[in-house]
Amino acid sequence: DTAVSQTPKYLVTQMGNDKSIKCEQNLGHDTMYWYKQDSKKFLKIMFSYNNKELIINETVPNRFSPKSPDKAHLNLHINSLELGDSAVYFCASSLAGVQETQYFGPGTRLLVL
Amino acid sequence: KQEVTQIPAALSVPEGENLVLNCSFTDSAIYNLQWFRQDPGKGLTSLLLIQSSQREQTSGRLNASLDKSSGRSTLYIAASQPGDSATYLCAHGNQGGKLIFGQGTELSVKP
Repeated sequence: DTAVSQTPKYLVTQMGNDKSIKCEQNLGHDTMYWYKQDSKKFLKIMFSYNNKELIINETVPNRFSPKSPDKAHLNLHINSLELGDSAVYFCASSLAGVQETQYFGPGTRLLVL
Repeated sequence: KQEVTQIPAALSVPEGENLVLNCSFTDSAIYNLQWFRQDPGKGLTSLLLIQSSQREQTSGRLNASLDKSSGRSTLYIAASQPGDSATYLCAHGNQGGKLIFGQGTELSVKP
């Protein structure tokens, strides 16, 4: 299937741990994004990468570090997890250009205890 | 401050009704306006994208309009079906592909 995929789908962990979420797209896109959806369902962009280069970096704590090993992958590593990091994290991808549709992955539900 | 507001927050209608979801935004320099659908526990599915130079887009029973001057977009759903039940999100695109989202309208279509 051509799609944006994320792993894991669910992640439950303790405060202070370090965790990673992986994202892969096989749509041939060159731009990828991470969004956070909070408990009130509000979606906000965190990062975007184009051809492995960071384009957008919103005011996200530096505990969050995206890594793009190639155009098809954009992983999100989170250090020293906090309770407030609990949310659903969505990866998305698109062709380059501001007029392109973004395609979203199924989300990773992170719960920090 | 860039904001996107969606009204109503929730809507329940009987099957077969035509309905309109509203989206307003404060940033006049948008690049596009997109409507998405989100099913419970799932990701977002793109429904329609209207370029900043366009006024509307149609796909099947869906029609979305854009009025940049008034900062408004509407999503019209004709002959609603129970399968249309979901949360509908609008978002406008800025430089760099950044999407600014509203908080969504939760639609329930009753059989």
